[in-house]
Amino acid sequence: DVKVTQSSRYLVKRTGEKVFLECVQDMDHENMFWYRQDPGLGLRLIYFSYDVKMKEKGDIPEGYSVSREKKERFSLILESASTNQTSMYLCASSLNVATGGNEQFFGPGTRLTVL
Amino acid sequence: RKEVEQDPGPFNVPEGATVAFNCTYSNSASQSFFWYRQDCRKEPKLLMSVYSSGNEDGRFTAQLNRASQYISLLIRDSKLSDSATYLCVVPGGYQKVTFGTGTKLQVIP
Repeated sequence: DVKVTQSSRYLVKRTGEKVFLECVQDMDHENMFWYRQDPGLGLRLIYFSYDVKMKEKGDIPEGYSVSREKKERFSLILESASTNQTSMYLCASSLNVATGGNEQFFGPGTRLTVL
Repeated sequence: RKEVEQDPGPFNVPEGATVAFNCTYSNSASQSFFWYRQDCRKEPKLLMSVYSSGNEDGRFTAQLNRASQYISLLIRDSKLSDSATYLCVVPGGYQKVTFGTGTKLQVIP
């Protein structure tokens, strides 16, 4: 059974704190993604990675950074959390498109609240 | 035109009804399309892929209309368990996809 796991289901942080969200997949997928989902706005891509140590900005990268040191792990970092980063964060992975990818498998999400 | 657009709904339908959702996309070069289902407070999960020739899986049928640049999802004999948000997904660049904002379906007893 394919699996994407995220380090926390719920997280409460204070403004200005540095926040780490971890994502691990066990499917040997090349691609990994971080999205945030807000009511009425749908899923918006923050960053993605198509290989170890490779990263690409998505549509809303401001205020975020990422790290991919190992193929199975993709971390999202909020350098200095702000209240407008309160959201549901979803991690996903997929195969490389050239090898039949595009279907994305999601983790259960982390609901982050910044006070 | 947005990359992908969906009617947000909600669609409130009685059990047993047939309901259809459309999703329009702007990139005419798009090749592969999907419908995802997302239950309340859960992650999206793949419902079905959309092929050029259409795709049927039980009560669900997905169609692609390249000329008019839309994909559709038809649900026959709606069940209470079909209540969810349905996300349209189109290719969005190198290794990426773009998700629609979703159409909410509520099946009523």
